[in-house]
Amino acid sequence: GQNIDQPTEMTATEGAIVQINCTYQTSGFNGLFWYQQHAGEAPTFLSYNVLDGLEEKGRFSSFLSRSKGYSYLLLKELQMKDSASYLCAVGGSNDYKLSFGAGTTVTVRA
Amino acid sequence: DTGVSQDPRHKITKRGQNVTFRCDPISEHNRLYWYRQTLGQGPEFLTYFQNEAQLEKSRLLSDRFSAERPKGSFSTLEIQRTEQGDSAMYLCASSLPGQGSDTQYFGPGTRLTVL
Repeated sequence: GQNIDQPTEMTATEGAIVQINCTYQTSGFNGLFWYQQHAGEAPTFLSYNVLDGLEEKGRFSSFLSRSKGYSYLLLKELQMKDSASYLCAVGGSNDYKLSFGAGTTVTVRA
Repeated sequence: DTGVSQDPRHKITKRGQNVTFRCDPISEHNRLYWYRQTLGQGPEFLTYFQNEAQLEKSRLLSDRFSAERPKGSFSTLEIQRTEQGDSAMYLCASSLPGQGSDTQYFGPGTRLTVL
């Protein structure tokens, strides 16, 4: 089975940094994905990690530790438009279907 | 690249009716996935296709649900005898495996409301 945990909500100030943690216990692993989802819209792909370490993409970075079953998404220089739900998802080892956490709602305040 | 499209975007139906949704994946993407998402939850896997072959169907999926991808391009998801518990956002995603990842790109979803 799959068990993916992430905090329900986080609040931060515009221009600040926020780190969203994700822990997982899965029966197979073929990478960890982060998606952003604005209310009423589809998830949009942010990042992918399959090896341990940090992947940086502009204001967003994602980290993975496979031995600890742990990842985080780091959002820097927060903007109001970053207010959204952030979904952590694990890819299956044989079928590539994604198992999602419940999402972390980030609210950016002025 | 026009992205993944889904039709309709919204559907309201009465309990007991049948509904069908369509998904057009990104062209050349040979994998197509269906997910369901309810409020406050992440998407939940329903089924997926590689080309026209349906390779897996969630054990949680009632046999009222059926999906097809007859020519390996667009796909349809049908729900028969809808129930109020079927109310959710139905998301379609597509991918082209390779280069070490299988990133799935999602469509805008079909929001189903069963009255």
